[in-house]
Amino acid sequence: GNSVTQMEGPVTLSEEAFLTINCTYTATGYPSLFWYVQYPGEGLQLLLKATKADDKGSNKGFEATYRKETTSFHLEKGSVQVSDSAVYFCALDNYGQNFVFGPGTRLSVLP
Amino acid sequence: NAGVMQNPRHLVRRRGQEARLRCSPMKGHSHVYWYRQLPEEGLKFMVYLQKENIIDESGMPKERFSAEFPKEGPSILRIQQVVRGDSAAYFCASSPGQGGSGANVLTFGAGSRLTVL
Repeated sequence: GNSVTQMEGPVTLSEEAFLTINCTYTATGYPSLFWYVQYPGEGLQLLLKATKADDKGSNKGFEATYRKETTSFHLEKGSVQVSDSAVYFCALDNYGQNFVFGPGTRLSVLP
Repeated sequence: NAGVMQNPRHLVRRRGQEARLRCSPMKGHSHVYWYRQLPEEGLKFMVYLQKENIIDESGMPKERFSAEFPKEGPSILRIQQVVRGDSAAYFCASSPGQGGSGANVLTFGAGSRLTVL
Protein backbone atom coordinates (compact mmCIF):
# COMPACT_ATOMS: atom_id res chain seq x y z
CA GLY A 1 0.00 0.00 0.00
CA ASN A 2 0.88 3.68 -0.03
CA SER A 3 2.70 5.23 2.91
CA VAL A 4 4.64 8.34 3.87
CA THR A 5 7.44 8.56 6.43
CA GLN A 6 8.77 11.81 7.88
CA MET A 7 11.61 12.61 10.19
CA GLU A 8 10.72 12.69 13.85
CA GLY A 9 10.24 16.05 15.46
CA PRO A 10 10.27 18.42 17.08
CA VAL A 11 12.87 20.33 15.15
CA THR A 12 14.20 23.45 16.85
CA LEU A 13 16.29 25.96 14.91
CA SER A 14 17.57 29.46 15.34
CA GLU A 15 16.34 32.18 13.00
CA GLU A 16 18.20 32.20 9.63
CA ALA A 17 19.30 28.57 10.00
CA PHE A 18 18.98 26.06 7.15
CA LEU A 19 16.02 23.71 7.32
CA THR A 20 15.67 20.16 6.02
CA ILE A 21 12.71 17.94 6.83
CA ASN A 22 13.07 14.49 5.33
CA CYS A 23 10.18 12.69 3.67
CA THR A 24 10.18 9.31 1.95
CA TYR A 25 7.27 7.46 0.45
CA THR A 26 6.15 4.04 -0.68
CA ALA A 27 3.73 3.84 -3.60
CA THR A 28 3.15 2.07 -6.86
CA GLY A 29 3.23 4.06 -10.05
CA TYR A 30 3.74 7.81 -10.08
CA PRO A 31 2.00 9.58 -7.23
CA SER A 32 1.78 13.33 -6.79
CA LEU A 33 3.65 14.62 -3.75
CA PHE A 34 2.78 17.50 -1.43
CA TRP A 35 3.91 19.46 1.58
CA TYR A 36 1.21 20.96 3.75
CA VAL A 37 1.75 23.34 6.69
CA GLN A 38 -0.43 23.75 9.78
CA TYR A 39 -0.09 26.87 11.90
CA PRO A 40 -1.36 26.77 15.50
CA GLY A 41 -5.12 26.55 15.74
CA GLU A 42 -5.62 26.38 11.98
CA GLY A 43 -6.29 23.84 9.26
CA LEU A 44 -3.69 22.58 6.83
CA GLN A 45 -2.59 24.75 3.94
CA LEU A 46 -0.91 23.56 0.78
CA LEU A 47 2.71 24.72 0.80
CA LEU A 48 4.01 23.16 -2.42
CA LYS A 49 3.55 20.20 -4.71
CA ALA A 50 5.22 18.15 -7.45
CA THR A 51 3.48 15.86 -9.89
CA LYS A 52 6.28 13.95 -11.59
CA ALA A 53 9.85 12.84 -11.13
CA ASP A 54 12.47 15.62 -10.96
CA ASP A 55 9.80 18.30 -10.55
CA LYS A 56 10.70 20.94 -7.97
CA GLY A 57 7.92 22.52 -5.98
CA SER A 58 8.60 25.89 -4.38
CA ASN A 59 6.74 28.50 -2.37
CA LYS A 60 7.62 31.14 0.27
CA GLY A 61 11.31 30.18 0.11
CA PHE A 62 10.59 26.48 0.66
CA GLU A 63 11.59 23.90 -1.94
CA ALA A 64 11.22 20.16 -2.44
CA THR A 65 12.32 17.98 -5.36
CA TYR A 66 10.50 14.79 -6.40
CA ARG A 67 13.22 12.10 -6.42
CA LYS A 68 11.84 8.86 -7.77
CA GLU A 69 15.13 7.00 -7.52
CA THR A 70 15.24 7.56 -3.76
CA THR A 71 11.44 7.84 -3.30
CA SER A 72 11.96 11.09 -1.44
CA PHE A 73 10.53 14.59 -1.28
CA HIS A 74 12.62 16.43 1.31
CA LEU A 75 11.57 19.93 2.31
CA GLU A 76 14.26 22.63 2.47
CA LYS A 77 14.53 26.31 3.24
CA GLY A 78 17.72 28.29 3.24
CA SER A 79 16.90 30.72 6.05
CA VAL A 80 14.01 30.09 8.40
CA GLN A 81 12.05 32.77 10.22
CA VAL A 82 10.16 32.69 13.51
CA SER A 83 6.94 32.86 11.47
CA ASP A 84 7.80 29.47 9.90
CA SER A 85 7.11 27.76 13.23
CA ALA A 86 4.38 25.25 12.45
CA VAL A 87 3.75 21.57 11.80
CA TYR A 88 4.73 20.31 8.34
CA PHE A 89 3.05 17.33 6.70
CA CYS A 90 4.33 15.39 3.71
CA ALA A 91 1.60 13.71 1.64
CA LEU A 92 0.98 11.76 -1.52
CA ASP A 93 -1.96 11.19 -3.84
CA ASN A 94 -1.87 8.07 -5.96
CA TYR A 95 -4.50 8.66 -8.62
CA GLY A 96 -7.85 7.31 -7.66
CA GLN A 97 -6.61 6.11 -4.31
CA ASN A 98 -6.74 7.97 -1.05
CA PHE A 99 -4.50 10.80 0.03
CA VAL A 100 -1.89 9.61 2.51
CA PHE A 101 -0.29 11.97 5.04
CA GLY A 102 2.86 11.54 7.05
CA PRO A 103 2.75 12.00 10.85
CA GLY A 104 3.88 15.62 10.70
CA THR A 105 7.06 17.34 11.89
CA ARG A 106 6.82 20.20 14.34
CA LEU A 107 9.24 23.05 13.65
CA SER A 108 10.07 25.70 16.24
CA VAL A 109 12.21 28.65 15.17
CA LEU A 110 13.76 30.70 17.95
CA PRO A 111 14.63 34.40 17.57
CA ASN B 1 -14.54 32.76 -3.34
CA ALA B 2 -15.25 30.90 -0.12
CA GLY B 3 -12.98 28.05 0.77
CA VAL B 4 -13.97 24.92 2.64
CA MET B 5 -16.43 25.93 5.35
CA GLN B 6 -16.77 23.90 8.50
CA ASN B 7 -19.20 24.46 11.33
CA PRO B 8 -19.39 24.62 14.16
CA ARG B 9 -15.82 25.68 14.86
CA HIS B 10 -16.17 24.59 18.46
CA LEU B 11 -18.64 22.09 19.87
CA VAL B 12 -19.05 20.93 23.46
CA ARG B 13 -21.03 17.79 24.22
CA ARG B 14 -21.61 15.67 27.29
CA ARG B 15 -20.96 11.96 27.20
CA GLY B 16 -23.78 10.11 25.46
CA GLN B 17 -24.92 13.05 23.34
CA GLU B 18 -24.67 13.30 19.58
CA ALA B 19 -22.27 15.51 17.64
CA ARG B 20 -22.92 16.68 14.09
CA LEU B 21 -20.16 18.35 12.14
CA ARG B 22 -20.81 20.02 8.80
CA CYS B 23 -18.57 20.67 5.85
CA SER B 24 -19.35 22.67 2.73
CA PRO B 25 -16.71 21.99 0.07
CA MET B 26 -15.20 24.59 -2.18
CA LYS B 27 -17.32 25.56 -5.14
CA GLY B 28 -16.83 23.06 -7.94
CA HIS B 29 -15.40 20.36 -5.64
CA SER B 30 -17.26 17.07 -5.57
CA HIS B 31 -14.92 15.08 -3.29
CA VAL B 32 -14.85 15.39 0.49
CA TYR B 33 -12.46 13.88 3.02
CA TRP B 34 -12.73 13.82 6.81
CA TYR B 35 -9.72 13.59 9.11
CA ARG B 36 -9.33 13.50 12.89
CA GLN B 37 -6.45 15.09 14.75
CA LEU B 38 -5.79 14.45 18.41
CA PRO B 39 -3.80 17.08 20.37
CA GLU B 40 -0.13 17.06 19.41
CA GLU B 41 -0.69 14.26 16.90
CA GLY B 42 -0.92 13.87 13.15
CA LEU B 43 -3.92 13.49 10.89
CA LYS B 44 -5.89 10.27 10.89
CA PHE B 45 -7.94 9.58 7.78
CA MET B 46 -11.56 8.73 8.46
CA VAL B 47 -13.64 8.74 5.30
CA TYR B 48 -13.65 9.82 1.64
CA LEU B 49 -16.93 10.66 -0.06
CA GLN B 50 -18.26 11.85 -3.36
CA LYS B 51 -21.77 13.13 -3.82
CA GLU B 52 -24.15 10.46 -2.49
CA ASN B 53 -21.37 7.86 -2.32
CA ILE B 54 -18.90 6.67 0.29
CA ILE B 55 -15.70 5.81 -1.57
CA ASP B 56 -13.45 4.78 1.32
CA GLU B 57 -14.47 4.51 4.96
CA SER B 58 -11.55 2.40 6.10
CA GLY B 59 -10.63 4.92 8.80
CA MET B 60 -14.05 5.19 10.37
CA PRO B 61 -14.72 3.44 13.67
CA LYS B 62 -17.24 0.67 13.10
CA GLU B 63 -19.65 1.96 15.70
CA ARG B 64 -21.14 5.36 16.50
CA PHE B 65 -19.56 7.18 13.54
CA SER B 66 -21.22 7.84 10.19
CA ALA B 67 -20.76 10.25 7.31
CA GLU B 68 -22.80 11.38 4.37
CA PHE B 69 -22.49 13.77 1.45
CA PRO B 70 -25.98 14.26 0.01
CA LYS B 71 -26.80 15.52 -3.42
CA GLU B 72 -27.76 18.85 -1.92
CA GLY B 73 -26.21 20.42 1.13
CA PRO B 74 -23.04 19.93 3.15
CA SER B 75 -21.26 16.77 4.12
CA ILE B 76 -22.12 15.65 7.65
CA LEU B 77 -19.94 13.71 10.07
CA ARG B 78 -22.13 12.30 12.82
CA ILE B 79 -20.89 10.88 16.10
CA GLN B 80 -23.49 9.19 18.27
CA GLN B 81 -23.19 8.62 22.01
CA VAL B 82 -19.94 10.57 22.26
CA VAL B 83 -17.24 9.54 24.72
CA ARG B 84 -14.31 11.54 26.09
CA GLY B 85 -11.97 9.85 23.63
CA ASP B 86 -13.86 11.49 20.75
CA SER B 87 -12.50 14.90 21.82
CA ALA B 88 -10.38 16.05 18.90
CA ALA B 89 -10.20 18.41 15.98
CA TYR B 90 -12.07 17.16 12.95
CA PHE B 91 -10.90 18.50 9.61
CA CYS B 92 -12.71 18.40 6.32
CA ALA B 93 -10.97 18.75 2.98
CA SER B 94 -12.33 18.92 -0.53
CA SER B 95 -10.92 18.39 -3.99
CA PRO B 96 -12.11 18.53 -7.56
CA GLY B 97 -11.14 14.88 -8.02
CA GLN B 98 -9.01 13.29 -10.70
CA GLY B 99 -10.08 14.86 -13.92
CA GLY B 100 -7.83 16.35 -16.54
CA SER B 101 -4.25 17.22 -15.89
CA GLY B 102 -2.62 18.40 -12.72
CA ALA B 103 -2.51 17.21 -9.19
CA ASN B 104 -5.60 16.45 -7.16
CA VAL B 105 -5.01 19.11 -4.49
CA LEU B 106 -6.84 18.97 -1.17
CA THR B 107 -8.12 22.21 0.31
CA PHE B 108 -8.75 22.08 4.05
CA GLY B 109 -11.27 23.78 6.26
CA ALA B 110 -10.32 25.40 9.56
CA GLY B 111 -11.61 22.41 11.52
CA SER B 112 -14.26 21.68 14.13
CA ARG B 113 -12.99 21.18 17.65
CA LEU B 114 -15.11 18.77 19.64
CA THR B 115 -14.84 18.65 23.41
CA VAL B 116 -16.65 15.91 25.28
CA LEU B 117 -17.21 16.59 28.96
